[in-house]
Amino acid sequence: GAVVSQHPSRVICKSGTSVKIECRSLDFQATTMFWYRQFPKQSLMLMATSNEGSKATYEQGVEKDKFLINHASLTLSTLTVTSAHPEDSSFYICSANPRPGDSAHEQYFGPGTRLTVT
Amino acid sequence: GDSVTQMEGPVTLSEEAFLTINCTYTATGYPSLFWYVQYPGEGLQLLLKATKADDKGSNKGFEATYRKETTSFHLEKGSVQVSDSAVYFCALEDYKLSFGAGTTVTVRA
Repeated sequence: GAVVSQHPSRVICKSGTSVKIECRSLDFQATTMFWYRQFPKQSLMLMATSNEGSKATYEQGVEKDKFLINHASLTLSTLTVTSAHPEDSSFYICSANPRPGDSAHEQYFGPGTRLTVT
Repeated sequence: GDSVTQMEGPVTLSEEAFLTINCTYTATGYPSLFWYVQYPGEGLQLLLKATKADDKGSNKGFEATYRKETTSFHLEKGSVQVSDSAVYFCALEDYKLSFGAGTTVTVRA
């Protein structure tokens, strides 16, 4: 089946610094990737939809200048948390659709990245 | 907006026990409903789905029935195994997926 990887799996950074999380589709090309955020004991929240070669589409309430998304190739999307603060500490998950026009439920998910900001 | 509420965990069971995880939803239309499973260190995987009322989704011994009258989609398995230990997410789909908070299930030998 389709595999999505994320790197790093865990990262600790200091307040005020920026951190980049990579999401890769390993065995398929993905024109669309998704970024989610999960708080402890809460549901996954869609942050943005990343489109290869164009600007990401952010969900309401998500700061696009805070969470920079770049989808420069058909197999890689990156999420950069800029000027991180402790409240940005969370579990970030990416996913991708193997085929254009796939429904949302046909996404393949990465294993997630645990970000801790100290 | 659309939302999903599922029972809080963690849930700890012995092997061969019966598992139920409750899930209810709120939606303006008639969404498709899903259960996802996340095993340790892996990404979420689609476990089963139902696209309309009274549909029953099933996979790997798990079942869930789309109940429009009670807006529910409870997950059940009659005899769990240690390998079923995972986090289970209920979700609905309109143009995007809306997830419940996840329920951690641990099955002891």
